[in-house]
Amino acid sequence: DVKVTQSSRYLVKRTGEKVFLECVQDMDHENMFWYRQDPGLGLRLIYFSYDVKMKEKGDIPEGYSVSREKKERFSLILESASTNQTSMYLCASSLETGFDLNTEAFFGQGTRLTVV
Amino acid sequence: AQKITQTQPGMFVQEKEAVTLDCTYDTSDQSYGLFWYKQPSSGEMIFLIYQGSYDEQNATEGRYSLNFQKARKSANLVISASQLGDSAMYFCAMREGRNTGFQKLVFGTGTRLLVSP
Repeated sequence: DVKVTQSSRYLVKRTGEKVFLECVQDMDHENMFWYRQDPGLGLRLIYFSYDVKMKEKGDIPEGYSVSREKKERFSLILESASTNQTSMYLCASSLETGFDLNTEAFFGQGTRLTVV
Repeated sequence: AQKITQTQPGMFVQEKEAVTLDCTYDTSDQSYGLFWYKQPSSGEMIFLIYQGSYDEQNATEGRYSLNFQKARKSANLVISASQLGDSAMYFCAMREGRNTGFQKLVFGTGTRLLVSP
């Protein structure tokens, strides 16, 4: 069974804390993604990575950074958490197939982060 | 600019009826892929169906079909014979960027479908 695992299902952090959200995939996928999901706004891409140590900004990278030191692990970092970063965070991975775009993304179970 | 637009925040359908969920997209790429995902209340994202920009036939997967109209840049999901278990959020997504060497996957805002008995 293919698997994307996020380290926490629920997380409560204080304003100003440094927060790490971890994501691990066991499918040897090249591409990994971090999204946040908010009601009425759908899934918005924060960052994605297409290779180890490679990263690209998504649509809402402000206030976030990422790290991909190993192929299977993609971390999302909130340098100084703020209340407006309270959200559901979803990690996903997909195979890089070059010109073939028919590669679905597999998702983790999500981390519901509350910043108080 | 919004890449994926889902204009229906919520839809209602009776069991056994068909329902169409709308999705329009915007891209300058000639090659792109369109996906639909289902998210039940439990939160997991379930892949439903894929349509490639060069596919000549509309994609079908069981009770799901994709009404792909390239000139209109629309990729509507049709669910036939709705079931109570179809009640969920549905997201349309697009993969593009092949020419830049990497492939982003962007999503719309979603449509909440409620199937009534």
